[in-house]
Amino acid sequence: DVQLVESGGGLVQPGGSLRLSCAASGFTFSTFWMTWVRQAPGKGLEWVANIKGDGSERYYVDPVKGRFTISRDNAKNSLYLLMDSLRAEDTAVYFCARQECGGDCSIDYWGRGILVTVSS
Amino acid sequence: SYELTQPPSVSVSPGQTASITCFGDRFEEKYASWYQQKPGQSPVLVIYQDIKRPSGIPERISGSNSGNTATLTISGSQPMDEADYYCQAWDSGSAVFGGGTKLTVL
Repeated sequence: DVQLVESGGGLVQPGGSLRLSCAASGFTFSTFWMTWVRQAPGKGLEWVANIKGDGSERYYVDPVKGRFTISRDNAKNSLYLLMDSLRAEDTAVYFCARQECGGDCSIDYWGRGILVTVSS
Repeated sequence: SYELTQPPSVSVSPGQTASITCFGDRFEEKYASWYQQKPGQSPVLVIYQDIKRPSGIPERISGSNSGNTATLTISGSQPMDEADYYCQAWDSGSAVFGGGTKLTVL
């Protein structure tokens, strides 16, 4: 079974940094695009970033460009999100998810999410 | 940037058909995906490529996409269908979600 398990969340002060990790299992990790999606408390889903299977392409939503970096280690079946210069508005549950791309992409498996709170 | 617009809420009586719309400029030129999210849970993919259902999703859940509007239809609505539903599309490599629609079955 596909499993995605996030870790690394917690409380951080504004301007601080945090690195989220996602451990993947149950599929050939290196062949799939992976993505991060976040959800602020009581709000809707917001796509954050994604990365191609070989790491050669990455895309970011405008509010995080220049502050967040998505990366992966295919040898460790792991996805990462390095978040710098954090702001209060980055407070959210962050989901690690897999993209299935066949003709078009959909996000077919999601982790349980990890809470990031940015507050002084 | 591309935007998707959904109604904030839809209500339906048990056993009736619920339709949730998602508006985007020339949306029919893209594929729509739909996700169901129940309180405290992760989203679940229920429709992809406009009309396809992942395994395990009941046939009473269906999708369509024409013109500027994609529609998620739930036939024979049940209390278990109460959830937030999000449409999603891709634009230049980036994912875009609609604001979400809260479906109430009462």
